[in-house]
Amino acid sequence: EADIYQTPRYLVIGTGKKITLECSQTMGHDKMYWYQQDPGMELHLIHYSYGVNSTEKGDLSSESTVSRIRTEHFPLTLESARPSHTSQYLCASSELSETGGVGELFFGEGSRLTVL
Amino acid sequence: GNSVTQMEGPVTLSEEAFLTINCTYTATGYPSLFWYVQYPGEGLQLLLKATKADDKGSNKGFEATYRKETTSFHLEKGSVQVSDSAVYFCALSDRDTGNQFYFGTGTSLTVIP
Repeated sequence: EADIYQTPRYLVIGTGKKITLECSQTMGHDKMYWYQQDPGMELHLIHYSYGVNSTEKGDLSSESTVSRIRTEHFPLTLESARPSHTSQYLCASSELSETGGVGELFFGEGSRLTVL
Repeated sequence: GNSVTQMEGPVTLSEEAFLTINCTYTATGYPSLFWYVQYPGEGLQLLLKATKADDKGSNKGFEATYRKETTSFHLEKGSVQVSDSAVYFCALSDRDTGNQFYFGTGTSLTVIP
């Protein structure tokens, strides 16, 4: 059972609002990720972090920002939401495997954002 | 570069039918390979994995074998159930490219009674 939590699960807001999607994990994983999942199901990496004070942009350009002040917490913020930001956002974390590579990704249940 | 190509969906099967979802990959190094499953309204969860050539991952009746010669990791199940209806993602992680995960586009499976 994965211990990674996302809130809110569902959010409907108006254009121009600032929103923060929360993600927390209790597994002590150094690596954390944010994926955006479009209606066609494809996953796009938008941010990742290798540890505290480390953040990197992913393959898909995003207007969102992230921070990593604590190991267990990796929030994603949109300063001014637009309808084009409507999507499912998935947070994940990973550990190192016994061979030194990345082990499996553990995912949260997702935050479904709708911007009107 | 690294990439994963998986079978287009959606796939609809009758209960107890045999399932195959094809997955092929391109990788610069020696990747680990994964199948993830996403049930409706949920996040992804690991279904099975294989970390080196000829390894077979298995879980809940699903199997996949890491085939280096054909760069494939096809998912199979002998007899599907309605509860297997979900979206299935093939993925790889390659230490040579910073251990990033690369996902296929997902294959939606619907099993009808």
